[in-house]
Amino acid sequence: EVQLVQSGAEVKKPGESLKISCKGSGYIFTSYWIGWVRQTPGKGLEWMGIIFPVNSDTKYNSPFQGQVTISADKSISTAYLQWSGLEASDTAMYYCAIALNGKFYWDYWGQGTLVAVSS
Amino acid sequence: QSALTQPASVSGSPGQSITISCTGTSSDIGGYNHVSWHQQHPGKAPKLIICDVSNRPSGVSTRFSGSKSGNTASLTISGLQAEDEADYYCSSFTSSRLYVFGTGTKVTVL
Repeated sequence: EVQLVQSGAEVKKPGESLKISCKGSGYIFTSYWIGWVRQTPGKGLEWMGIIFPVNSDTKYNSPFQGQVTISADKSISTAYLQWSGLEASDTAMYYCAIALNGKFYWDYWGQGTLVAVSS
Repeated sequence: QSALTQPASVSGSPGQSITISCTGTSSDIGGYNHVSWHQQHPGKAPKLIICDVSNRPSGVSTRFSGSKSGNTASLTISGLQAEDEADYYCSSFTSSRLYVFGTGTKVTVL
């Protein structure tokens, strides 16, 4: 069974760093792109970026370039999304997803990780 | 890359058909046949219901159908049911070799 299991909810203060994870199982982790999606409270979905785990080829959508870092550790089939200095505006639900059965659509999703940033 | 434009809300009575539009540009919807639609119920992760403009993944109801004309894609839900009440998002591959979502549409079953 294909699964993406994300790390648990986080409560952080502005300026703190954070790394959340997405562990894949039931498929060949290195063969498929992994994407990260942000959903701010009561708002829509936004693509943040994607990574190809076999060579860590990474692409960011422009609003997120330089704001977050996407990485992957293929030895443990896990992708990461990290911040070096959180802001209140980073408060959101974050999802990981993979394009397993087609190159251009995202058919398996993690359960989401809620990140709350408040002083 | 700006978000694709969707109506904020669409409603219909049980059994009716509704259509949600998703408008982009020649750099996304108009340039590629890689439009997908996701359904999201409150507190849940998005679920893929249409891929590559008009294909349904295995297990998705035949009541969902997709199409595209020029820079606009559409999702039609026929035989509307109470369980269809959710948020719907279109998404497209783009010329930047990345992806963009639509603004989202809340479907209400009256």
